[in-house]
Amino acid sequence: EVQLVESGGGWVQPGGSLRLSCAASGFTFSSFEMNWVRRAPGKGLEWISYIASSGHNKKYADSVRGRFTVSRDNANKSLFLQMSSLRAEDTAIYYCVRVVGGRWGQGVLVTVSS
Amino acid sequence: SVLTQSPSVSGAPGQRVTISCTGNSSNIGAGYDVFWLQLLPGTAPKTVIFGNNIRPSGVPDRFSGSKSGTSASLAITGLRAEDEGDYYCQSYDNSFSGWVFGGGTKLTVL
Repeated sequence: EVQLVESGGGWVQPGGSLRLSCAASGFTFSSFEMNWVRRAPGKGLEWISYIASSGHNKKYADSVRGRFTVSRDNANKSLFLQMSSLRAEDTAIYYCVRVVGGRWGQGVLVTVSS
Repeated sequence: SVLTQSPSVSGAPGQRVTISCTGNSSNIGAGYDVFWLQLLPGTAPKTVIFGNNIRPSGVPDRFSGSKSGTSASLAITGLRAEDEGDYYCQSYDNSFSGWVFGGGTKLTVL
């Protein structure tokens, strides 16, 4: 069974950093492109980052470019999102999503507040 | 939102409802696949349609998708109480080089 499990969320002060992880299982992780998507409280879904299966091609939404970095470890079937210079508006549930077939993780909450 | 959805739709149990999604020439109209997501209260998004009209395993055949030009639709037949929730359309947009979403449609089962 395909599973994506995010971790690493929590509370952080504005300007701080946090690293999210997504552990994949049930499929050949190294063969699939992945995305990060977030949902802020009371708002809709926002795509924030993409990474190719090899990890060599990465894309970011304007709202996070220069502050967030996506990476992956195919040997350990893991996806990461390094978030820095966090702002209150980054408060959201963050989901890792497999592009093919649209498989979503359960999400992890990130709260940025003083 | 880049993709446009009506805010709400409702139907009685057993009825059929459709949810529409309108994009433009940079996303749906450019030929990119449309996904439909189901968000039930307190749960993570679940893809009920991908590739415009493909149901993932486990999604009942009461759910179907279609696409034409710059628009797409999700149809749900035989409405059930457990279908109540929010539905979002999703596609790729070449002007953003990433996924774009609709604003969501709240489905109420009367």
